[in-house]
Amino acid sequence: ETGVTQTPRHLVMGMTNKKSLKCEQHLGHNAMYWYKQSAKKPLELMFVYSLEERVENNSVPSRFSPECPNSSHLFLHLHTLQPEDSALYLCASSQDSQGGDEQFFGPGTRLTVL
Amino acid sequence: GQNIDQPTEMTATEGAIVQINCTYQTSGFNGLFWYQQHAGEAPTFLSYNVLDGLEEKGRFSSFLSRSKGYSYLLLKELQMKDSASYLCAVRLNTGFQKLVFGTGTRLLVSP
Repeated sequence: ETGVTQTPRHLVMGMTNKKSLKCEQHLGHNAMYWYKQSAKKPLELMFVYSLEERVENNSVPSRFSPECPNSSHLFLHLHTLQPEDSALYLCASSQDSQGGDEQFFGPGTRLTVL
Repeated sequence: GQNIDQPTEMTATEGAIVQINCTYQTSGFNGLFWYQQHAGEAPTFLSYNVLDGLEEKGRFSSFLSRSKGYSYLLLKELQMKDSASYLCAVRLNTGFQKLVFGTGTRLLVSP
């Protein structure tokens, strides 16, 4: 596999469920990102990891919990979500977190919270 | 706060030229990206401008004027496959790549 992959592609969960989103990059990059894309709203940065250390938490509620066990993998753990959290969650990676390199995006996980 | 404005939707015909504008007012500026996103797919990188002027890459060109807080993406010889959303994103002056995105411009190319 090449590029950035995300699983699952679609997820439906209740407000009391716990689930996790997975992202994997095969590009040898050192920085990884989580974004939220809601209908008719801009892509919104959630978290940034550089060399497995979190460098940014963009005021994201604690019901979203990221984890970066190594530079190739990024998880987003979800618990007690709200219906307004329904959105497309995109993962991205870049060579490093400080340069002007482009970010490569995964296909996203379409999340629906009932 | 950060403000990035793009038209919501544009239409054009195959073979034509279209210009998608982006204006920004941000606290700090360290470059501007354009991404293309087809429906249901990942955004893909098109261009990056950090200095004033025009960057040309095949059928696509991107222009930046930092003093005016303005950029445009120019698409020439439009093809049906160019129907997509075009996202303008500003990189802020943080120690890491913090991108602030506009809402995107949905371009519809008709025969």
